[in-house]
Amino acid sequence: EPEVTQTPSHQVTQMGQEVILRCVPISNHLYFYWYRQILGQKVEFLVSFYNNEISEKSEIFDDQFSVERPDGSNFTLKIRSTKLEDSAMYFCASSWDRGSPYEQYFGPGTRLTVT
Amino acid sequence: AQKVTQAQTEISVVEKEDVTLDCVYETRDTTYYLFWYKQPPSGELVFLIRRNSFDEQNEISGRYSWNFQKSTSSFNFTITASQVVDSAVYFCALRESGSGNTGKLIFGQGTTLQVKP
Repeated sequence: EPEVTQTPSHQVTQMGQEVILRCVPISNHLYFYWYRQILGQKVEFLVSFYNNEISEKSEIFDDQFSVERPDGSNFTLKIRSTKLEDSAMYFCASSWDRGSPYEQYFGPGTRLTVT
Repeated sequence: AQKVTQAQTEISVVEKEDVTLDCVYETRDTTYYLFWYKQPPSGELVFLIRRNSFDEQNEISGRYSWNFQKSTSSFNFTITASQVVDSAVYFCALRESGSGNTGKLIFGQGTTLQVKP
């Protein structure tokens, strides 16, 4: 069964460093998403991406964040200068369509720890 | 504005008890989808069910059942004869489908279910 994969599973970085979280969505999917979950809290939408551009972003997704689909298979989330409060689990998701019954498939997540 | 509320933060039951997790949502869209996800201690999000706003039929899958009531904007989840393996955080989520929507999911705060042996 196709699945969304994410690397690394756990990333530790120092405050102020740049990090890139990588995701490989399901190959024929067209819509891509990043979500964040701070430990013990709910899953929050960060950004949606379609047709090589951001289609929606939340208030959390400020100038420190960027997304890219560099090669048609990977989907990356970059945090330019990490802060302690960026420590969270980051989930990538993809779907064939944005609506209808189409499912959003989630990756296993990357746990980011900023020290 | 869309919103999902799971008022129960934590529930603790003894194995074999039935338990119901509540979910109340708000949306202005007439077309939307509701979801339940399970997050075990390992951290991944496991899809359990999706319902669309036009289908108010209750659904049963093994020990799991879901009660969707549009009149009260609720989508409750019941586990019958709970087991220790059901211990997890459960999230209810909403996806609107009107024009301009990008398909994002809005999650509730989650309910932590602990099933004791």
